[in-house]
Parts: sequence; C-alpha cells; structure tokens
Amino acid sequence: EAQVTQNPRYLITVTGKKLTVTCSQNMNHEYMSWYRQDPGLGLRQIYYSMNVEVTDKGDVPEGYKVSRKEKRNFPLILESPSPNQTSLYFCASSLSSRTGVSYEQYFGPGTRLTVT
Amino acid sequence: DAKTTQPNSMESNEEEPVHLPCNHSTISGTDYIHWYRQLPSQGPEYVIHGLTSNVNNRMASLAIAEDRKSSTLILHRATLRDAAVYYCILRDKGLGSGSRLTFGEGTQLTVNP
Repeated sequence: EAQVTQNPRYLITVTGKKLTVTCSQNMNHEYMSWYRQDPGLGLRQIYYSMNVEVTDKGDVPEGYKVSRKEKRNFPLILESPSPNQTSLYFCASSLSSRTGVSYEQYFGPGTRLTVT
Repeated sequence: DAKTTQPNSMESNEEEPVHLPCNHSTISGTDYIHWYRQLPSQGPEYVIHGLTSNVNNRMASLAIAEDRKSSTLILHRATLRDAAVYYCILRDKGLGSGSRLTFGEGTQLTVNP
C-alpha cells in the first residue's frame, strides 16, 4: 500500500531535549516536505526537499533541521525543542515536477508533539 | 508568495451540491491550483488540481476563472463524510525553482443530514 509513515505519532518531551521525528514514504517520490499545524494558523511549511541531498526552507524553518540522505526518508530534527514548537506535524511526499506537470501530495497521519 | 482566501465556514445539506470558493488574485502563471481536505484527526487528503481548464475527477470538479484569480471546488452531492476543512493551495510547477506551498486558512464544511 502506498503510504507516508511518521513516527512517533505522539510525543511529550521537555525543553531542550533533542528529538527526531521520522518520515518515510514507499512511493519513490523525489519531493518531501514537513508542515506544522496550529489552531488558527492552518498548515505552514517548515522545510522541503526536491531530492536526495537537496533541502530548502519553507515558511517557518527556525528551530528545525532536516536531512535527506535517502530518497525514502526525510527526518525532522529539533535540536533544542521549546514550548512554542508544540504542534501537530505532518510529513508529505509527491513526485517532483520536471516538465511543468503538478502532482498531488500524499500526507502522513501526523505527529502530535508537546514540549513542556 | 501568492496567497489564497477562503470563507471560514460553509454549510450544506446532504445530497445537495456544494460550491467552495477560493480567491487567489496574485497567482502567477506557473502556479497550479490544488485542493485538499482534512477530516478530523487525519492528515490532509488530495482532492483535485488544475492549471487553466476546468477539471473533473471522481471526488469533485474544479472550476477555474478565465483570469485565474479565483476558483471553485464543486462537490456534486455532499455526503456526511464530506464534512471536513477544505484547503485551496497554490503549487508552483517546480521547474527548478523550488516548491513552496501556501495553504489558505481553509473552509470548514458542515454537512447537515
């Protein structure tokens, strides 16, 4: 089954304790992205990756890191989490446009993170 | 970056058509118009997308204004399972220029039985 998986689904942590949220897709997609969703603010893009070893900032990248060493994985790293990073996080993937065609994005189930 | 504007909420009755509007007056020539929906406690789900021409699929239809500054998502017969937040977003073709996405606030669709 084609899917995007995220782990963990729920995480409660303390300020300053480094954490990684994993994202994996089995559709051989070049493009992957991370979003956060907060009440009243909708979905905001954190980082995206057009392909392996190619990443770029979205709208709210501060406090986050990403890496893309393999095509299927796109982990989100919080080096020193703070309470304002408490949010619902979604990973997404899609084929990457090379010819002007736009492709649908597949979203993961979400990771609810609480930083105390 | 081009932004989208949607009504905060809309209501419909079951088995009636629903027209969800979206304004994107600063859309660029390389932006596709995508629609996604999000059911409670789930990740967003793709609905439909288009560039200039109207589009149909099994879920919905997308009507795009001639000047591309607005679009309308049409659910032909709303069901209770269509109750969700609907997002209208713009996606660049991504021809080496990146693929930043701009989500609108979304429209909360309520479907009455």
